[in-house]
Formats: sequence, C-alpha cells, structure tokens
Amino acid sequence: DAGVIQSPRHEVTEMGQEVTLRCKPISGHNSLFWYRQTMMRGLELLIYFNNNVPIDDSGMPEDRFSAKMPNASFSTLKIQPSEPRDSAVYFCASSPSLAGGEETQYFGPGTRLLVL
Amino acid sequence: GDSVTQMEGPVTLSEEAFLTINCTYTATGYPSLFWYVQYPGEGLQLLLKATKADDKGSNKGFEATYRKETTSFHLEKGSVQVSDSAVYFCALNTDKLIFGTGTRLQVFP
Repeated sequence: DAGVIQSPRHEVTEMGQEVTLRCKPISGHNSLFWYRQTMMRGLELLIYFNNNVPIDDSGMPEDRFSAKMPNASFSTLKIQPSEPRDSAVYFCASSPSLAGGEETQYFGPGTRLLVL
Repeated sequence: GDSVTQMEGPVTLSEEAFLTINCTYTATGYPSLFWYVQYPGEGLQLLLKATKADDKGSNKGFEATYRKETTSFHLEKGSVQVSDSAVYFCALNTDKLIFGTGTRLQVFP
C-alpha cells in the first residue's frame, strides 16, 4: 500500500499567490483530515471529511482557506491569497471510518509551505 | 472542551535508560487514547492505542495503560535506543483527534 500521498512536498510562494495542496488518501478509507503544524500552535485540525462530505470545518482559520473532496481518492486544500503567517507543514490523514474515534489515522508525509 | 496535556520537552536520555512521558486528558464521555510518533521530516505514525479503561497498548517496546481513575495514558519504555529519538504526541479521539503539544525525545549513545 502506498500510504497517504501528498503533493507537493515543498512549496515556496510569494504573499498574495494562490496555493493548492493535494492529497490522495489510502484506498478504501472513508475519512480524510487536513492538519496544520507550526512551532507556535502545534498540530491543528483544519477540516475533515467523511464519505467526501465536509463534517467539521471549524478549524479553518479564515475564508482564505478552502478544502474540497470531489471524490474518494482526492482532496485539495487551497489558500487564496496566501500570507506569510500561513507558513507551516500541512498534513493530510485518512482513516477507514470515523467509527466513534477508535480508528487509527494514517498520515501523509506533509507539505512544507513557505510564504515569503 | 476535550484536551490533552503532555509533559514539556525535550527529554534527554542516554541509551538503555528508562523512559516515561506523562500524558493526562480531559474529556466528556469515553475517548480512545493514542500515542503517535513523528520522526524528523516525516508525518505522524501510530505508535500504540487503547480504546477502553485498563487497556494496555504496546508496540516496539513502548507501553501505555489507559487509566480512567487518573485520566492518564503515560508512555513508557524500559530501555531506549538512539533510534527512538523523535517527537511523541499523545492524543484522544471522540469524534476527532485532539493532540497534545508533543514531547521531543533525544537519546544519546
């Protein structure tokens, strides 16, 4: 199994540009999660989907952030326009289901974003 | 709301020393508890988990017991290796994972 795949692995952009991060979950997994990791704030859950439907987006920091899951094998996290404070490592994770919290989440390698 | 508190790091140990990383939680209901590990430059990976009170999770020599009476899930290992150097995250899950701040472990030969 290839695991969770994220692209790009590294992204450097200038303030004001649009950034799109991509994630392919593990085949057969029904739940997908986007996290952001920074030194100051640690790991934050941004949004999660179940069966391609957004369940909770309360962690999305502001309207500049949006996420979609058009099918079971692909999700995007978009930042438009990007700002320097968005610099972080963004992780995607998937799990077989939500299943009352017992399911393990499997993390991708992350996208390291730097906004200049 | 639900939360997880971990001991501050870094924890610095010599090889073969005993490791304890403390974790306590606050939750309504009965969460599942997890320890994840993050090696440099990588994503998080599950180390062990426990889904109900008194369960013991174990993997790669690490252990943690779900203690409902003390709301704790402390991570232990009897003899650490240099390769165990990483950041360790305690987490609880009711309907979503809530992570602690992470504890960096550094093991020296």
